[in-house]
Amino acid sequence: NAGVTQTPKFQVLKTGQSMTLQCAQDMNHNSMYWYRQDPGMGLRLIYYSASEGTTDKGEVPNGYNVSRLNKREFSLRLESAAPSQTSVYFCASSPQGASREKLFFGSGTQLSVL
Amino acid sequence: KNQVEQSPQSLIILEGKNCTLQCNYTVSPFSNLRWYKQDTGRGPVSLTIMTFSENTKSNGRYTATLDADTKQSSLHITASQLSDSASYICVVSAGLVRDDKIIFGKGTRLHILP
Repeated sequence: NAGVTQTPKFQVLKTGQSMTLQCAQDMNHNSMYWYRQDPGMGLRLIYYSASEGTTDKGEVPNGYNVSRLNKREFSLRLESAAPSQTSVYFCASSPQGASREKLFFGSGTQLSVL
Repeated sequence: KNQVEQSPQSLIILEGKNCTLQCNYTVSPFSNLRWYKQDTGRGPVSLTIMTFSENTKSNGRYTATLDADTKQSSLHITASQLSDSASYICVVSAGLVRDDKIIFGKGTRLHILP
């Protein structure tokens, strides 16, 4: 049972390049989330998907787009990367919603934008 | 403003000793409080989750307490081990409905020395 799998683990981009972070969970969870973690700050929600077919903005959505491809997969896209998007990105999932139940996190993607 | 404050920012103790980490919150309406452990280079892993009516919950050598009146929580680690070296994150949920109303503290970085 792999849990939440994120790819890639590391990525370096130049300003203006685009990329997609992939996330998949094998726990049949309804809700999925993308967070970013920066030094000296708590995890901040970028986007979330409460159920298959729905997505909503979180606290810091600017510069990002998401796709809930199916129940298992939730991808995060940076259309035109900026240095301010240098961060560690975590995908997470929850059975029925993070406000009620614990989150299961992936191992993270370390992204550097030069 | 909904906030979660953790103290200390970092802590160094010797292996075998006990320690207590603090979490104060100003989140309303309060739904539940969780503690997560985050090893370096990994995603956070849930330790405990407590609702308004619970004031103590244990998970092995980890014991969390909650005082909903003073809006404080603590995480006590007994007989620390080298593997306890990690960041400990306090997370408060502000309601059961919206998944974006989950506030993360900045974490306490714990170092266990042999």
